[in-house]
Amino acid sequence: DGGITQSPKYLFRKEGQNVTLSCEQNLNHDAMYWYRQDPGQGLRLIYYSQIVNDFQKGDIAEGYSVSREKKESFPLTVTSAQKNPTAFYLCASSGAPDTEAFFGQGTRLTVV
Amino acid sequence: KNQVEQSPQSLIILEGKNCTLQCNYTVSPFSNLRWYKQDTGRGPVSLTIMTFSENTKSNGRYTATLDADTKQSSLHITASQLSDSASYICVVSPGGYNKLIFGAGTRLAVHP
Repeated sequence: DGGITQSPKYLFRKEGQNVTLSCEQNLNHDAMYWYRQDPGQGLRLIYYSQIVNDFQKGDIAEGYSVSREKKESFPLTVTSAQKNPTAFYLCASSGAPDTEAFFGQGTRLTVV
Repeated sequence: KNQVEQSPQSLIILEGKNCTLQCNYTVSPFSNLRWYKQDTGRGPVSLTIMTFSENTKSNGRYTATLDADTKQSSLHITASQLSDSASYICVVSPGGYNKLIFGAGTRLAVHP
């Protein structure tokens, strides 16, 4: 069953702690993306990766880090430097430039 | 500045009725325009993707139109069902991996 899987669905973090969100895809897609969604706003790009061992900053990369050691996996770490991390995080993948992007089910991160 | 504006912000209709959602964009260059459906707390799911030369595209009860001259698109939902209750997001691509521009979405509620 092909698709893109994010885990966990809900995540709670204490202020000052780093936390890592998982994203795995078995669609054999080269490109993977992380977006942040806040109420009343469009999705904003955090990081993207076009190929293994390479990634680029998006529009709001400050306070976040990523790695792309495997084609199937693109984990996102929310560091303590991110001032307002509470949000809904979406991972996506696509097979080629400018083709349809497939989204995971999202992770809702809450800082307590 | 590349922007995607959607209207209305929210909409309530009765089951069985039709509705039309609007999307205006100022993105340049233009490669394609996409409509996504996002259920609450879930990832977006693609409905349609249209290139410059396409004026209309249907997906079941969903019909999207595109006027590239006026930079406007609409999504028409026919014979609405309760399961159509969701946010509908308009996305414009100038091309390439990293430059999708997202609208804030229209939140549709279908009541019995």
